Amino acid sequence: EDQVTQSPEALRLQEGESSSLNCSYTVSGLRGLFWYRQDPGKGPEFLFTLYSAGEEKEKERLKATLTKKESFLHITAPKPEDSATYLCAVQVVGGYQKVTFGTGTKLQVIP
Amino acid sequence: NAGVTQTPKFQVLKTGQSMTLQCAQDMNHEYMSWYRQDPGMGLRLIHYSVGAGITDQGEVPNGYNVSRSTTEDFPLRLLSAAPSQTSVYFCASRIGLAGNEQFFGPGTRLTVL
Repeated sequence: EDQVTQSPEALRLQEGESSSLNCSYTVSGLRGLFWYRQDPGKGPEFLFTLYSAGEEKEKERLKATLTKKESFLHITAPKPEDSATYLCAVQVVGGYQKVTFGTGTKLQVIP
Repeated sequence: NAGVTQTPKFQVLKTGQSMTLQCAQDMNHEYMSWYRQDPGMGLRLIHYSVGAGITDQGEVPNGYNVSRSTTEDFPLRLLSAAPSQTSVYFCASRIGLAGNEQFFGPGTRLTVL
């Protein structure tokens, strides 16, 4: 069974304090790993897709990386507006209809 | 483009009542899906559709029904509401099965008493 585990569950950072969120996965064959951002009371918003180990994607202060077992979302010099829950999800080869989501990491950035 | 829209935003039902959650998208996406989100659990797929007239079950389909008569609309019906269906429901769409980015609606918060 496909599994996605995110850690930590919650993270509190001071503004400017860089850190990383972890997403470890166990799947039969990875087609893609996705990162989403979810603000309170809203639907998830797409950030990145990673397809193969070694791949990296960047967007403003966020950088996502992928290995064969896990993905990291690095947040450099975060700002209060980066506060949100970050969701990781995987799609397996041949299972296009199903995207398995992790439970998320709730990030709070304090001014 | 409005993207993915959902109505209502909030709903309270009594056990045994039925209702329909509405979802519409204006991006001409083939693939649409319904998820539920519960505390401590990831988003779970209820039903999905790969195009008008074609639907299939996800991982938690019991107690829910869907149909897809047009590309734009994908309503979710609760046949006889139960307290276990208290959740936040999200509709999502993407271009195709192998498309990567899913666009999510704003969600419907449902409480079943």
